[in-house]
Amino acid sequence: AQTVTQSQPEMSVQEAETVTLSCTYDTSESDYYLFWYKQPPSRQMILVIRQEAYKQQNATENRFSVNFQKAAKSFSLKISDSQLGDAAMYFCAYANQGGSEKLVFGKGTKLTVNP
Amino acid sequence: DAGVIQSPRHEVTEMGQEVTLRCKPISGHNSLFWYRQTMMRGLELLIYFNNNVPIDDSGMPEDRFSAKMPNASFSTLKIQPSEPRDSAVYFCASSYTGLADNEQFFGPGTRLTVL
Repeated sequence: AQTVTQSQPEMSVQEAETVTLSCTYDTSESDYYLFWYKQPPSRQMILVIRQEAYKQQNATENRFSVNFQKAAKSFSLKISDSQLGDAAMYFCAYANQGGSEKLVFGKGTKLTVNP
Repeated sequence: DAGVIQSPRHEVTEMGQEVTLRCKPISGHNSLFWYRQTMMRGLELLIYFNNNVPIDDSGMPEDRFSAKMPNASFSTLKIQPSEPRDSAVYFCASSYTGLADNEQFFGPGTRLTVL
């Protein structure tokens, strides 16, 4: 079974600075998807960024980028120019390749942004 | 599109009572997922459907939990009888298997409190 581990229960960053959230996963599959979801206090789950395992290029979405190391099974999220609105729980998630595959989540990292 | 709709948003009930949570997926989506979020266990999949058929219910905790999807636009998760340990946030998510990116869209969740 696949597992996802987020080793940082909490992180903090100063506004406008950069922070990196860590995620490792375990799978025997070669093709799969990785995701970062954001959950603000409203508890709505919001997709931040996704990465296909077969793509070597790291995904980027505006201020959010990932460092995907397939051999190391590592998938970290970098948030640049942090904003107060970035404060939230961040969940790393894994899904097998396929049309309808369940997400396996890490336990989450609570990010605090200090003004 | 209105997104995934869940009702009720909050539910408070007493131990032993029957609880029914409802979900309307995004129109055109053919996969539906029920997740539960607790502090202790994080986000975990309970069951998911593809084309209204249950595919994986291995996450359903016990016989007190049941889920149905009578048509493509409606699903229920029922707990009978409810227990205090069932207190959690229950999320419904949907996706379209015609897309390869596996993006699941989450509803706002139902916060269940069993007294």
